[in-house]
Amino acid sequence: GAGVSQSPRYKVAKRGQDVALRCDPISGHVSLFWYQQALGQGPEFLTYFQNEAQLDKSGLPSDRFFAERPEGSVSTLKIQRTQQEDSAVYLCASSRGQGAYSDYGYTFGSGTRLTVV
Amino acid sequence: AQSVTQLDSHVSVSEGTPVLLRCNYSSSYSPSLFWYVQHPNKGLQLLLKYTSAATLVKGINGFEAEFKKSETSFHLTKPSAHMSDAAEYFCVVTRVRGGYNKLIFGAGTRLAVHP
Repeated sequence: GAGVSQSPRYKVAKRGQDVALRCDPISGHVSLFWYQQALGQGPEFLTYFQNEAQLDKSGLPSDRFFAERPEGSVSTLKIQRTQQEDSAVYLCASSRGQGAYSDYGYTFGSGTRLTVV
Repeated sequence: AQSVTQLDSHVSVSEGTPVLLRCNYSSSYSPSLFWYVQHPNKGLQLLLKYTSAATLVKGINGFEAEFKKSETSFHLTKPSAHMSDAAEYFCVVTRVRGGYNKLIFGAGTRLAVHP
């Protein structure tokens, strides 16, 4: 597609419920990132994929968070047993580049706003 | 460790007056620095980036930023604000890790533009 697509745009979950957030990157983009943006704060890194390989998951807050990208395109971020502190906007970004010094930029999706009640 | 500090959480200007959004960075080596803008319910959009070429970087929509190593600053400026510039702005430094760039965001500055 023309941009990075994220769904759903809004999600309200009851505490303890499992949720799945989807990211559809730009076709052919090798790199995919997930970021978490709490209210009034800047985005914080969660995890990074290069094709289907999850090379860095150091930003995932707990073992309730799990991300996958099985075929190197669409990615899903799953949160189990949601807590109120998980309420945030979850942003996905993709890039054609894969190297540290790649000049290719990042394209961000509009995000999924998760509210845990 | 890399980090950025945006010195103002809110900035308010009148339309047609200059804009200054301040950012200081911390990095153990020569960083790559970016400014992103976020309009409500829209994705983050890259305004400009510094990658060790010219210290004065020009971006989209008339914005520019100057990299000053001696002051560890990367302030964003625009000579004349438009109403459409009202948004959240993020200063970003990259951290090279395992062969890819991890973006480290500041807390953001909300720019309000008044008629």
